[in-house]
Amino acid sequence: DVKVTQSSRYLVKRTGEKVFLECVQDMDHENMFWYRQDPGLGLRLIYFSYDVKMKEKGDIPEGYSVSREKKERFSLILESASTNQTSMYLCASTSGGSYNEQFFGPGTRLTVL
Amino acid sequence: SQQGEEDPQALSIQEGENATMNCSYKTSINNLQWYRQNSGRGLVHLILIRSNEREKHSGRLRVTLDTSKKSSSLLITASRAADTASYFCATAPAGTASKLTFGTGTRLQVTL
Repeated sequence: DVKVTQSSRYLVKRTGEKVFLECVQDMDHENMFWYRQDPGLGLRLIYFSYDVKMKEKGDIPEGYSVSREKKERFSLILESASTNQTSMYLCASTSGGSYNEQFFGPGTRLTVL
Repeated sequence: SQQGEEDPQALSIQEGENATMNCSYKTSINNLQWYRQNSGRGLVHLILIRSNEREKHSGRLRVTLDTSKKSSSLLITASRAADTASYFCATAPAGTASKLTFGTGTRLQVTL
């Protein structure tokens, strides 16, 4: 079975802290994505990566950065967490091509106090 | 802005009934996909329909696509309590590889 795992299901951080969210996939997928999900807004793309060390901004990259040093791992970094970054964060991966489905991790619910 | 908009936002039906959800989008697409999300979990892919297809079936799921109206519908037949979840459409815009745009979802409640 294909698998995407995220480092934490629930995370509570304080304003100003640096936060790392980790995502690992075991399917040798080239493409990996970070989304945030908020009520009434659906899923919004933060960043995606189509290869190791490659990254592209999504629709809402402000306040976030990413790192992809290995093919299987894609990290989302909140340099200085703020309360408006309280959200559900979802990681996904897919093999190349626009016809392919995305495989999602279970999500990390982040609360910033 | 979101590409896909689902309708209705919420739907409540009894077990055994059919559930229909609609998705409208704005720009040309390569394909449209439907996903399910159980409460507080990640999304699971249900079905993909290409822009040159009009209808597709998978088990109790039936998806239609009307590119002239830029709309799609997802029909779940003979619904079960386990179908209770949020359903999202996602579009892969023409010319963009692998980058999906998700709608805001339809919350389906199936009661016994």
